[in-house]
Formats: sequence, structure tokens, C-alpha cells
Amino acid sequence: DGGITQSPKYLFRKEGQNVTLSCEQNLNHDAMYWYRQDPGQGLRLIYYSQIVNDFQKGDIAEGYSVSREKKESFPLTVTSAQKNPTAFYLCASSATSGGASGNEQFFGPGTRLTVL
Amino acid sequence: GEDVEQSLFLSVREGDSSVINCTYTDSSSTYLYWYKQEPGAGLQLLTYIFSNMDMKQDQRLTVLLNKKDKHLSLRIADTQTGDSAIYFCAVATFNKFYFGSGTKLNVKP
Repeated sequence: DGGITQSPKYLFRKEGQNVTLSCEQNLNHDAMYWYRQDPGQGLRLIYYSQIVNDFQKGDIAEGYSVSREKKESFPLTVTSAQKNPTAFYLCASSATSGGASGNEQFFGPGTRLTVL
Repeated sequence: GEDVEQSLFLSVREGDSSVINCTYTDSSSTYLYWYKQEPGAGLQLLTYIFSNMDMKQDQRLTVLLNKKDKHLSLRIADTQTGDSAIYFCAVATFNKFYFGSGTKLNVKP
């Protein structure tokens, strides 16, 4: 089965600690994305990557870092510099060459991060 | 960038039709999408429409696109309690995606 997996589903962190959220896809997609979702709000783009070893900041990149060493993997690190990290984090991927439905994004199940 | 707007809430009775609206600002948008998010889950693609189409029907779902007014709508016929979720409109422009803030649909039995 092709898809995107995120782990863990729930994550608890003490203030001042860095934490890394995993995102893996086996859809052979070139592009991958990280979004943050706060209660009752839409999605805000944190980082995205169109190709291996390259990534760009989104709208709210401060306090986050990413790497893209493999096509299948795009881990997100939430650093202690992120002032309000408690949120629901969603990873997505898409093909960069458009098909019949364009470059639709496929989403993982999300990770809920809570800072204690 | 693109501004994509949706109303926050919609409440309907089971069996009625639901209409969720979305407006956007960039006329060069190519594909427009509707996603569904159930509580605590990721987003699931429901349907999409290409910008040169006016309407697309897929079982209980009908998408209408008014390019002149930059208005997109999703109609769900015979709405069921299982349709209760948050619905996101998304607009693709030059390989960038822009999401609306989501409309929470509440279906009352």
C-alpha cells in the first residue's frame, strides 16, 4: 500500500527540548511539505522540499528545521527556539509533474505535539 | 500570495444538502481541490476541478467553479452524520498550494 506515514501519533516534550517528527512516503513523490494546524485554524506551511537535498522556508519556519537526505523521508525538528510548539503537525507529499489531477497533495495522519 | 477564504461553520440536518463555499484571489489558479479532515486525522482528498471546467459531479458531490467571481463551492447531497468533518478548499497556482481555513460541517440527526 502506498502512502505517507508519520510517527509518533502523539508526542510530549518538556520545554527547552528539541524533538524530531518523522515523515516517510513510498509514493515516489519528489515534493514534501510540513504544515502546522492549531485548533480551529487552517494549515500553515512550515517548510517544503521539491527535491532531495534542497528545501525552502514556508510562512512560519522560525524555530523549526528540516532535512531531505532521501526522497522518501522529510523529518521535522521542533527546536527550543519555537515559542509555542503545541500543535497538530501534518506532512504531505506531491508529484512535481502534473497528472490528471494536477499536483494534489497527499497527507499523512498527523502528529500531535504537546509541550508540558 | 493567494488568499483563500471560507466560512468557519455550517450546520445542516441529516438528509439535507450542504453547500460549502470558498473564494480565492489569484485568477491564474490551475487546479482547485476539496479536502475532508475528520477529528485527529490528516486531510483526505475528496475531489478536484481543473480551472477550465465549470462543474464536476462525483456521486453525492458536486463542485461548481465560477472563474469570473473566483468562487468555488462543494455541494454534498443527502448529507449524512458521517459527513461531519472540516472541509478545506485548496487552490494550486504555479506548483504552490494555498489552503482555506476550513469549514466545520455539523450534521444533526
